[in-house]
Amino acid sequence: NAGVTQTPKFQVLKTGQSMTLQCAQDMNHEYMSWYRQDPGMGLRLIHYSVGAGITDQGEVPNGYNVSRSTTEDFPLRLLSAAPSQTSVYFCASSYDGQPSYEQYFGPGTRLTVT
Amino acid sequence: AQSVTQLDSQVPVFEEAPVELRCNYSSSVSVYLFWYVQYPNQGLQLLLKYLSGSTLVKGINGFEAEFNKSQTSFHLRKPSVHISDTAEYFCALLIQGAQKLVFGQGTRLTINP
Repeated sequence: NAGVTQTPKFQVLKTGQSMTLQCAQDMNHEYMSWYRQDPGMGLRLIHYSVGAGITDQGEVPNGYNVSRSTTEDFPLRLLSAAPSQTSVYFCASSYDGQPSYEQYFGPGTRLTVT
Repeated sequence: AQSVTQLDSQVPVFEEAPVELRCNYSSSVSVYLFWYVQYPNQGLQLLLKYLSGSTLVKGINGFEAEFNKSQTSFHLRKPSVHISDTAEYFCALLIQGAQKLVFGQGTRLTINP
């Protein structure tokens, strides 16, 4: 199993540009989430999905869109990039329920918006 | 609302010394608690978790944590640290039903030789 994969690893955008961060998992997990990591703030939830076709907002959803057309993929779209979206983005997936409740994280995408 | 507070942003210790990273949480419902570790330029890896049962939980790499419901704490400990333990450590609380993790701010552990 590849686990959770994210592409690209690094990206530089200009203000106003759009892009999609890709996330895929091969563990047949129902739940998938996107977090952003900023210094001194830990990880904050952007959007999450409890299954294909179902998404919801997290703590910091503004400026981001998601969709979940398949169990495997959960892309994150930046509609019009802003410098405040400079961050490291992590995708995670998990089963629902026992015994684990563990979330599996991808390696991250480091995004810089100039 | 649920929240997690990590009481130290940075903890410097000498190699082979013991260490404790402190985590307090706030929740009006039953919680699941986790510690994740992030090595430099890597993703997050699960260290240990408390779901139920024994309040002392053991994880990987010699780490352990104690769940204290009365003090709403979940402190992480290791009796003797190694240079390879240099990393950032995150305490997190799981909101049941939606699998949403609420993270603390992180504690950067640096080990001095």
